[in-house]
Amino acid sequence: DQQVKQNSPSLSVQEGRISILNCDYTNSMFDYFLWYKKYPAEGPTFLISISSIKDKNEDGRFTVFLNKSAKHLSLHIVPSQPGDSAVYFCAASARSYQLTFGKGTKLSVIP
Amino acid sequence: KAGVTQTPRYLIKTRGQQVTLSCSPISGHRSVSWYQQTPGQGLQFLFEYFSETQRNKGNFPGRFSGRQFSNSRSEMNVSTLELGDSALYLCASSLRGTSSERHNEQFFGPGTRLTVL
Repeated sequence: DQQVKQNSPSLSVQEGRISILNCDYTNSMFDYFLWYKKYPAEGPTFLISISSIKDKNEDGRFTVFLNKSAKHLSLHIVPSQPGDSAVYFCAASARSYQLTFGKGTKLSVIP
Repeated sequence: KAGVTQTPRYLIKTRGQQVTLSCSPISGHRSVSWYQQTPGQGLQFLFEYFSETQRNKGNFPGRFSGRQFSNSRSEMNVSTLELGDSALYLCASSLRGTSSERHNEQFFGPGTRLTVL
């Protein structure tokens, strides 16, 4: 049973436009959410996180939105750059250091 | 600051053999977690060690085990290898703080690619 779902396996966006990556979760015990970026042959790199007491967190071009009632979070990248092309993983934890990951969304930013 | 290092980077084994993978966390990090990444299942949590004790365990068979040393370095062992154990094994370290908003931020190593023939 997948507790964290990323329903779009891939996404293509024009350079300079907004990229929106979505993630849904089913476990209401999750209280901390993270986004990771992964390039081929490398480990995931932490991007941005949000705790369940907030509904938005910004870090430069990256903003994460959390809608607890819908059990949904999204990552916005504005403006998108070719270097952002990678696989993005959504992850969640429930008061522990065990992260539950989604299966990832491959983002392609077209110059 | 040096990142998380994992050795070896690539490994080929045959069914029935056992394998040991090593992970050195970022200096000062005392928590080490292990994950298995496969194309079909994505990233799945194996276990977490903190202060030489296993704190959390994922849903994997007992053939998968680990340990952590006093210098926070960790090893993962898989016995009686099966074809389905072929995967990228990732190690992640964290500070395991309690007050910072980023307390769950984990830093990943490049992984060990294990192929079982």
